[in-house]
This record gives sequence, C-alpha cells and structure tokens, in this order.
Amino acid sequence: NAGVTQTPKFRVLKTGQSMTLLCAQDMNHEYMYWYRQDPGMGLRLIHYSVGEGTTAKGEVPDGYNVSRLKKQNFLLGLESAAPSQTSVYFCASNPGTGAVYGYTFGSGTRLTVV
Amino acid sequence: KNQVEQSPQSLIILEGKNCTLQCNYTVSPFSNLRWYKQDTGRGPVSLTIMTFSENTKSNGRYTATLDADTKQSSLHITASQLSDSASYICVVSEGNYQLIWGAGTKLIIKP
Repeated sequence: NAGVTQTPKFRVLKTGQSMTLLCAQDMNHEYMYWYRQDPGMGLRLIHYSVGEGTTAKGEVPDGYNVSRLKKQNFLLGLESAAPSQTSVYFCASNPGTGAVYGYTFGSGTRLTVV
Repeated sequence: KNQVEQSPQSLIILEGKNCTLQCNYTVSPFSNLRWYKQDTGRGPVSLTIMTFSENTKSNGRYTATLDADTKQSSLHITASQLSDSASYICVVSEGNYQLIWGAGTKLIIKP
C-alpha cells in the first residue's frame, strides 16, 4: 500500500520558472494538505482541500496555486518561482473531521530555487 | 498568538538510555495534541494523539503525557535504540482542527 506519493522528489528551478508538484493518495481520504518545512521552523500550511473540487488557503498561500480535480490527487503549482520558495514540501492526507485522525504524509519534495 | 514550543532543540543520548522531550503550548481553544516522528529525508509519522480528557498514551517504547491545565506535554522514550534517531515534533490542534506545529527536537542516539 503506497499511502501518499509525491513527485518529483528533488527539483532545481531558476528564478521565474514554473513547476507543478504532484501528490497522490490511495486511501480514499477526503482531506489533503500541502505544507512547507524550513530549517528551525514548524511545518506551515500552504493550501488544503476538504474534498474533490475544493481548495482553501492556509497560513502561507502567496505564490502558490492548487487544484483537486480528482479525489486522489492534489497538485501544487508555482507560477513564478522565487528563492524564498526554496524549501521541502510535504503533502498529507486524512479521512476528514468528525474524529481525531492522524495525518499520513508523503516523503517530501526538496525544491531549490536559484 | 497560538504557539508550540519544544525543548530541548537537540539532544544526544547513548543507546539504551531513556529520555524525555518537552512541549509547551499556548493554543486556544485546544482540541488535541499529537506527537510525530520525522526521520531525516522523510515525512512525519504519527506516534500518539491525545484529546483533552487523556493525560497519558503509549505507543510501544514511546509514552506521551498531557497536562491540559499547565498546557504542557512530554514524550518519554524508554530504552532508546539507534532507530530512534529522528526529529520529534509536537503538534497542537485548535478547535477548528487547524494544526500548530512545533519546530521539533532533534534526537541523536549514539552507540
């Protein structure tokens, strides 16, 4: 069972380039999230989705866009990459609210913007 | 401001020894508190989840405690193993289920 799969695992971008990070989950989870993790800081929520076709802004949404066209996939886009977006990006999912659920995380995408 | 603070930032102990990691929070309203383990280069993995009414929870050699009155939690690791080397992250959930993440404690187990 794959759980949450993120692609790519590593990427180097030049300032101004665009890219899309893909997250796929096979657990039929309703909720999906994109986080970024920077040294010395806690994970910060970029965007999240509470179901197919829905998205919402998190704590640090500027410079990112997301889409959830299919329940199992959650895409994170950078339209014009900036060095401040150098980070490790994690996708996570959980079944939904109404109970206390643990989050299942992917293994991360390490992005460097030069 | 909702915050989660962890101490120490890093810790080195010998294999077989016990250790305790601390978490203080100022999140309100409180929903639940979680501890995650994050191996280098991997995503966080859930260890325990405690609600307001629970003051202790175990997962193998990991035991988490929660004092909701003082807004403190601890994670105790018994008989440490080399595979316990990782970052341990305390996460507090607000009433609306927003997660507030601590910066983590980096634990190194030496043989």
